[in-house]
Amino acid sequence: EPEVTQTPSHQVTQMGQEVILRCVPISNHLYFYWYRQILGQKVEFLVSFYNNEISEKSEIFDDQFSVERPDGSNFTLKIRSTKLEDSAMYFCASSEALRRSRTRDFGPGTRLTVT
Amino acid sequence: AQKITQTQPGMFVQEKEAVTLDCTYDTSDPSYGLFWYKQPSSGEMIFLIYQGSYDQQNATEGRYSLNFQKARKSANLVISASQLGDSAMYFCAMREGGAGNMLTFGGGTRLMVKP
Repeated sequence: EPEVTQTPSHQVTQMGQEVILRCVPISNHLYFYWYRQILGQKVEFLVSFYNNEISEKSEIFDDQFSVERPDGSNFTLKIRSTKLEDSAMYFCASSEALRRSRTRDFGPGTRLTVT
Repeated sequence: AQKITQTQPGMFVQEKEAVTLDCTYDTSDPSYGLFWYKQPSSGEMIFLIYQGSYDQQNATEGRYSLNFQKARKSANLVISASQLGDSAMYFCAMREGGAGNMLTFGGGTRLMVKP
């Protein structure tokens, strides 16, 4: 069964450094998302991406964040200058073209630790 | 106001017993979808079950069923015949029709299955 994949599984970086988190969504899906989960807290929406542009973003998704689909398969989240509070699990997700899709497939997550 | 409320931070259930995890939601949108996810200690988000606001019947997927009470705005997850492997965090999430495809999550319930 097709699945969303994410790399790396764990990334440690120093405060102020740039990180790029990578995702490969399910191949026939057209909506892509990033969510984050700070340890012990709820999952929070960051951004959705459709047709090569951001369709929605939350207030968390400020100027230090950007997303890109550099080729036909990868979907990336870049954090330009990491802060301690960016330490979290970052999940990529994808869904079918239908706005009202009945599933939402999440990747296994990338645990980002900012020191 | 919270859009998704899970009032049980933690629950115990005896192996082989059934358990109900509560979820209430708040929306004025007539078109919405409700999702349940399981998050084991390894961290990944596993999709369990989906209920659309216009679905006539309660959703079922194997041992999982959703007790959907639209007038009460509740979408409780019922797990029948609990297994030790069901021990995990469980998150309820909602997609609102007018808000694109993003999911809003509740705070989660930690379920512990006792042998």
